Amino acid sequence: DAGITQSPRYKITETGRQVTLMCHQTWSHSYMFWYRQDLGHGLRLIYYSAAADITDKGEVPDGYVVSRSKTENFPLTLESATRSQTSVYFCASSVPGPNTEAFFGQGTRLTVV
Amino acid sequence: ELKVEQNPLFLSMQEGKNYTIYCNYSTTSDRLYWYRQDPGKSLESLFVLLSNGAVKQEGRLMASLDTKARLSTLHITAAVHDLSATYFCAVAGGGNKLTFGTGTQLKVEL
Repeated sequence: DAGITQSPRYKITETGRQVTLMCHQTWSHSYMFWYRQDLGHGLRLIYYSAAADITDKGEVPDGYVVSRSKTENFPLTLESATRSQTSVYFCASSVPGPNTEAFFGQGTRLTVV
Repeated sequence: ELKVEQNPLFLSMQEGKNYTIYCNYSTTSDRLYWYRQDPGKSLESLFVLLSNGAVKQEGRLMASLDTKARLSTLHITAAVHDLSATYFCAVAGGGNKLTFGTGTQLKVEL
């Protein structure tokens, strides 16, 4: 299917476990992003990537790791999940340039118990 | 550091009424976005505003941008129940990174 897809849609994990959220886009967009959404904070940028093998931290990167070996995939890993990482995670992609917009995946609701 | 303030956080209004959501941001940017989010759903792009004085309209929603005042508004005209959702503004920084406002939860009463 064309577009940007995230998996899983829902995930419950235990404190201390490692969990990976997947993001796949079919447009070959060079930019990809991970945001988390929490009540009262809107969406906050965790990590972003300008191209394959180029990643950088966003506003709230602690406790997260990303990689981007292929343009179409941008997985987000929580190395040792904590309850404060319970959130809804959105992946997005875009092309460079001023007159562009970001396209968002459906989101992953993660609960850490 | 770019900061985006959005108000009000909650807005309950009757059908047929008009209201405005405000979005202030702290540093210069060349792009501002408005998104809509329905409960449990992803973000839907409403408007992209690129220049000072830009005004865009879609149905009962109109967005404007004043880059000198670092202010954008989303005006709702004659609200209807279907407009009930959460609305976010987002300001673009380098590399297309977005800084979001906290969102305005709009409830339009029948």
